[in-house]
Amino acid sequence: QSVLTQPPSVSGAPGQRVTISCTGSSSNIGAGYDVHWYQQLPGTAPKLLIYGNSNRPSGVPDRFSGSKSGTSASLAITGLQAEDEADYYCQSYDSSVVFGGGTKLTVL
Amino acid sequence: QVQLQESGPGLVKPSQTLSLTCTVSGGSISSGDYYWSWIRQPPGKGLEWIGYIYYSGSTYYNPSLKSRVTISVDTSKNQFSLKLSSVTAADTAVYYCAGSPNSGYDPIFDYWGQGTLVTVSS
Repeated sequence: QSVLTQPPSVSGAPGQRVTISCTGSSSNIGAGYDVHWYQQLPGTAPKLLIYGNSNRPSGVPDRFSGSKSGTSASLAITGLQAEDEADYYCQSYDSSVVFGGGTKLTVL
Repeated sequence: QVQLQESGPGLVKPSQTLSLTCTVSGGSISSGDYYWSWIRQPPGKGLEWIGYIYYSGSTYYNPSLKSRVTISVDTSKNQFSLKLSSVTAADTAVYYCAGSPNSGYDPIFDYWGQGTLVTVSS
């Protein structure tokens, strides 16, 4: 049972827009802690995708965007591509580092 | 470019102590620019943060694992290590070492090792 709740799976066709939610509580996201997002391609280590709720590291396409409101955060991916098929994790802080359970994105 | 590489036994017996080392290259642990963490991922499951260490030796552990975890640093070798005692099958996971910038905020893991699978079995 993860402190941050994510949908187990989402899917979309190439070119479409998908969003992945990350729901927390008043002790983590709602307390003002930032949310960060990671992409994990099959068989590889996670890669930082979004930090500080909505900032992209250098090299991350602007198709990826993040937002935060209240006790939740969202990752949006526009112009979906086959290479986006991966697991996505949100991360925040709640007395220690906490991760969401992960969301598997399938590109149809 | 900082690179991290985990090393250690891939098989540990139940009740024994799991020991892993992470070697950092392309940057110095002693610079103080980063906190150094261990994160694990059971097969087919999500990520769990274990704890971090600073070059000075100060540590912070996940409360759920604190009683069994020790993280140490060897600045002369540019390495940091994990010891997890009294392991059970539930500790079977891919173990990652990761670096987060010393920004004064909560950790953001922008450097990751490739991960190493540790299986707990007799």
